[in-house]
Amino acid sequence: NAGVTQTPKFRVLKTGQSMTLLCAQDMNHEYMYWYRQDPGMGLRLIHYSVGEGTTAKGEVPDGYNVSRLKKQNFLLGLESAAPSQTSVYFCASSSDWFTDTQYFGPGTRLTVL
Amino acid sequence: AQSVTQPDIHITVSEGASLELRCNYSYGATPYLFWYVQSPGQGLQLLLKYFSGDTLVQGIKGFEAEFKRSQSSFNLRKPSVHWSDAAEYFCAVYNNAGNMLTFGGGTRLMVKP
Repeated sequence: NAGVTQTPKFRVLKTGQSMTLLCAQDMNHEYMYWYRQDPGMGLRLIHYSVGEGTTAKGEVPDGYNVSRLKKQNFLLGLESAAPSQTSVYFCASSSDWFTDTQYFGPGTRLTVL
Repeated sequence: AQSVTQPDIHITVSEGASLELRCNYSYGATPYLFWYVQSPGQGLQLLLKYFSGDTLVQGIKGFEAEFKRSQSSFNLRKPSVHWSDAAEYFCAVYNNAGNMLTFGGGTRLMVKP
């Protein structure tokens, strides 16, 4: 099992460009999450999904959109990238509610110039 | 709102020495508490979690944590550190008001040979 995978691993964008980050999990998990990690701030939840076709806002959702068209995939979109979105993005999944063990992908390092 | 504080940003210990990483939380009721570890260039991995019951929790890789309600703390300990324990450690609490995990800022552990 690959667990949780993320594509791409690195990306550099110019301000105003758009991109989509892909997260895939092969554990048949219902719950999926997108976090951003910034120095000294730990991880902050951007959006999450409790099942196929459902999404919900987390702590810092502004500037991001998500979609969960298939159970195994969770996409994070940036429609118009800003330098404040320079960060490391982590996807995670769990079989049950937030208190269940979350399994994390290796991360995507995004730089917005 | 629930919050988590990790007072030590960096800690350096010698290999074979004991380790204690501090975590303080703010929460009115009995919290759900977690410790995750992030090795360089990797995603986060769950070390242990506390929901209720015995206040001393055993985790993977020889780690343990003790929940102390009177001190609002959930400190992580290991009796003898190995070089492979060098990583960043995150304490987290389940935030039921926002349906998310709230993470502390992290403690980076360095191990001297």
